Amino acid sequence: DSGVTQTPKHLITATGQRVTLRCSPRSGDLSVYWYQQSLDQGLQFLIQYYNGEERAKGNILERFSAQQFPDLHSELNLSSLELGDSALYFCASSVVGGGYTFGSGTRLTVV
Amino acid sequence: EDKVVQSPLSLVVHEGDTVTLNCSYEVTNFRSLLWYKQEKKAPTFLFMLTSSGIEKKSGRLSSILDKKELFSILNITATQTGDSAVYLCAVRRNNNDMRFGAGTRLTVKP
Repeated sequence: DSGVTQTPKHLITATGQRVTLRCSPRSGDLSVYWYQQSLDQGLQFLIQYYNGEERAKGNILERFSAQQFPDLHSELNLSSLELGDSALYFCASSVVGGGYTFGSGTRLTVV
Repeated sequence: EDKVVQSPLSLVVHEGDTVTLNCSYEVTNFRSLLWYKQEKKAPTFLFMLTSSGIEKKSGRLSSILDKKELFSILNITATQTGDSAVYLCAVRRNNNDMRFGAGTRLTVKP
C-alpha cells in the first residue's frame, strides 16, 4: 500500500458524460499530481496542486479540471467525455527518496 | 519541446542475462532523473539521479546519469522472470512536474 488512495478503481461511462476521480495523498503530503496513461501516449502529466493551489499544468484539456480541498484530497473532473479519454488516471504525491508515490489508479472506460 | 526518449521499446531476454535500458532527454530546467518499474498497476520508484557519474545501486539493479550527454542507463544483472515489467524513465523539472518516456517493456523468459 503506497498510502495514496484513489477511488474509484474502475469507471465505465458513456460519451458526453462527466465523471469525478478522487485522490487522497499520503498523510502529511501537501502535493498532488495527476497523470493520464493511455496505450498510445504513455504517462502524461496533467496538473499539480500544492496545499490547495495549482502549481504546475501539463497537457490538460479544457474539458478537464481539478482542485485540491482543505483536507488535501484532490478531485479530477472530466467532462464531455470522448472515447479517447479512456485511460488509466494516476494520482501521485510526495517525494519518497526523491521519487513520487503513485496511487493504484482509476481505469476509465468511455463507451 | 521537452523530450524523454527510451530505448529499446521492448526487449526479450532469458533468465540470467544482463540488460541495459537507455534514456535520453532534452528538458528545460532539469532537476533530476527518475526510474520506475511498472507491472500491472502503478509505477513503483526505483532510483532518483541528480549528479553525473554517481552510480545508484539496489541489489541487481543499478543506474547512472550523464548530464553532459543527457542520458541515463538502467542495468539489471542476472535477470529473473520477476523483472518482467515496463521500465519508465522520467525527468523532473524545477517546477516539480515529471515528463515520462514511453517506457521499455522487458520480458524475461525462464
